[in-house]
Amino acid sequence: GAVVSQHPSRVICKSGTSVKIECRSLDFQATTMFWYRQFPKQSLMLMATSNEGSKATYEQGVEKDKFLINHASLTLSTLTVTSAHPEDSSFYICSATTDRGETQYFGPGTRLLVL
Amino acid sequence: TQLLEQSPQFLSIQEGENLTVYCNSSSVFSSLQWYRQEPGEGPVLLVTVVTGGEVKKLKRLTFQFGDARKDSSLHITAAQPGDTGLYLCAGDDTGTASKLTFGTGTRLQVTL
Repeated sequence: GAVVSQHPSRVICKSGTSVKIECRSLDFQATTMFWYRQFPKQSLMLMATSNEGSKATYEQGVEKDKFLINHASLTLSTLTVTSAHPEDSSFYICSATTDRGETQYFGPGTRLLVL
Repeated sequence: TQLLEQSPQFLSIQEGENLTVYCNSSSVFSSLQWYRQEPGEGPVLLVTVVTGGEVKKLKRLTFQFGDARKDSSLHITAAQPGDTGLYLCAGDDTGTASKLTFGTGTRLQVTL
């Protein structure tokens, strides 16, 4: 149980385009989902926290207009990187918790490469 | 801002050796988690420690939470190539895993 999936697993796009990454909880309802970013050989940095039906809370330094997060249902959150640039290339990982909130379940990550 | 420093940053050892990874902070955490992450994949939870001084064992892995709940260690006995990966500690100060602060990471390579 407690499986989180992400789609796509990797994406290559041209500079200036927008990319949408989906995060789904497959066998549980995720009241809260988290989006992380990980640069090569570095740790995970929290970008934002989203609760179903409400606006996401962004960490300091993360541009909310650039990284649009939509948590429309209890099993789906999306991260849209708008007007992507090469410096946005990174590994994006989502996680989800149930209403008990005891553990974050992580997705397999999405590797974004912006050319 | 809470900071979790891991040491060493990188460790390359031979199969059969023992090793210890440290996770230190000046902040107190309600709980601390250890994850292992392989390239191109998300982190996988290994253990959660909650009580100061707690020791948990997972086969060849031994995890300890400091008495003051500010630090933790991971000891691997007789390392195997399958132990290779990025080890991350993550602290939670809310008691609900609602906000994890990840450590700087320790990259372990175990060779034959």
